[in-house]
Amino acid sequence: DIQMTQSPSSLSTSVGDRVTITCQASQDITNYLNWYQQKPGKAPKLLIYDASTLETGVPSRFSGSGSGTEFTFTISSLQPDDIATYYCQQYHDFPYTFGQGTRLEIK
Amino acid sequence: EVQLLESGGGLVRPGGSLRLSCATSGFAFTSMNWVRQAPGKGPEWVASISTSGDYTFYADSVRGRFTISRDNGKKSLYLQMNSLRADDTGVYYCLSRRGYWGQGTLVTVTS
Repeated sequence: DIQMTQSPSSLSTSVGDRVTITCQASQDITNYLNWYQQKPGKAPKLLIYDASTLETGVPSRFSGSGSGTEFTFTISSLQPDDIATYYCQQYHDFPYTFGQGTRLEIK
Repeated sequence: EVQLLESGGGLVRPGGSLRLSCATSGFAFTSMNWVRQAPGKGPEWVASISTSGDYTFYADSVRGRFTISRDNGKKSLYLQMNSLRADDTGVYYCLSRRGYWGQGTLVTVTS
């Protein structure tokens, strides 16, 4: 199975901050990577697919980059509505696997 | 508009069965997945099915107990869950290959 190592597991941030989350795959997944946002009691919401493509309707402050085994997710200027948990997920091979999640908190 | 609507969850005793359904619309009904999330935990992939339905894949934890299937005419996905255990408890989501999720259906396995 492909292991997805996501870091950090939590992040204390302030509104306006630049936030960066990384995801490392245990083997080459080319660009078959999604990034999701999940708020309590809600389903995950797709933000980025194919590692760097912004889903329709998602604000441009969200971005993704990387290929192969190293991936980065960035929020350029954190907004209050961005407080959530973020997950990466590979869909290169079965079983599809998720990172452990990054929980954003406000300082 | 993309829509995925799960149903069929509920409270069941250990050893019992449930059949989950996911009705979809608004996107290409290609390969599909079931993912679950235990309370306070991250998502866990459960099963996948190819576009034709000819190929299925299962997590080790559910293989032999769960069966994924689909009806392409109805654009619907199913998960037959047998021999349920307490650690199968969680919210079950259908997930498209494209990354779209339903709202989830809660499965609680308890005596």
